[in-house]
Amino acid sequence: DAKTTQPTSMDCAEGRAANLPCNHSTISGNEYVYWYRQIHSQGPQYIIHGLKNNETNEMASLIITEDRKSSTLILPHATLRDTAVYYCIARSGNTPLVFGKGTRLSVIA
Amino acid sequence: KAGVTQTPRYLIKTRGQQVTLSCSPISGHRSVSWYQQTPGQGLQFLFEYFSETQRNKGNFPGRFSGRQFSNSRSEMNVSTLELGDSALYLCASSSEAGTRGGELFFGEGSRLTVL
Repeated sequence: DAKTTQPTSMDCAEGRAANLPCNHSTISGNEYVYWYRQIHSQGPQYIIHGLKNNETNEMASLIITEDRKSSTLILPHATLRDTAVYYCIARSGNTPLVFGKGTRLSVIA
Repeated sequence: KAGVTQTPRYLIKTRGQQVTLSCSPISGHRSVSWYQQTPGQGLQFLFEYFSETQRNKGNFPGRFSGRQFSNSRSEMNVSTLELGDSALYLCASSSEAGTRGGELFFGEGSRLTVL
């Protein structure tokens, strides 16, 4: 599976949109982009995934560039409860989810 | 709908002992994956079971083993415990094995301390 690169940490003001970038320049055509987050001391939580079209659900939006080499997870109105480590993962077929170090998002009041 | 249940939540063992951790997946889910999380190495994949068969295996020594029962419940075992095995062990279930659309639902984990 393709390697992903994320910033180590980011801050966001409460109530503002949090935009978390992910680079996956070596992604192959059959690899999906998955986003998970892990709030301190809890198991990771699925957020969203996509192949090439932009996706939106009740938690977030996923914007994938046309060349699929990068993507952005958008939390439209960040709250303090969104403080967590966010993982971007490229994965295909039956391969396991491989977590990197992720981005530590701190939402500040 | 009940989530993924892991037992025990906390346990303390001494070096050389062995430990068995249990995971009950969400009802109807047939795939169970296990992960180890440590501050130094982060989340590392151990293995995945689907319909009682191991489908994928991570890069861990043979001391780490697992199995899945016909009701999809899974156990993992670590023999001859080492200090470095101290970690949070997370179980996750999904409705299909490695499907591109499948999302993993994680339990709260079993925190193992080896003294």
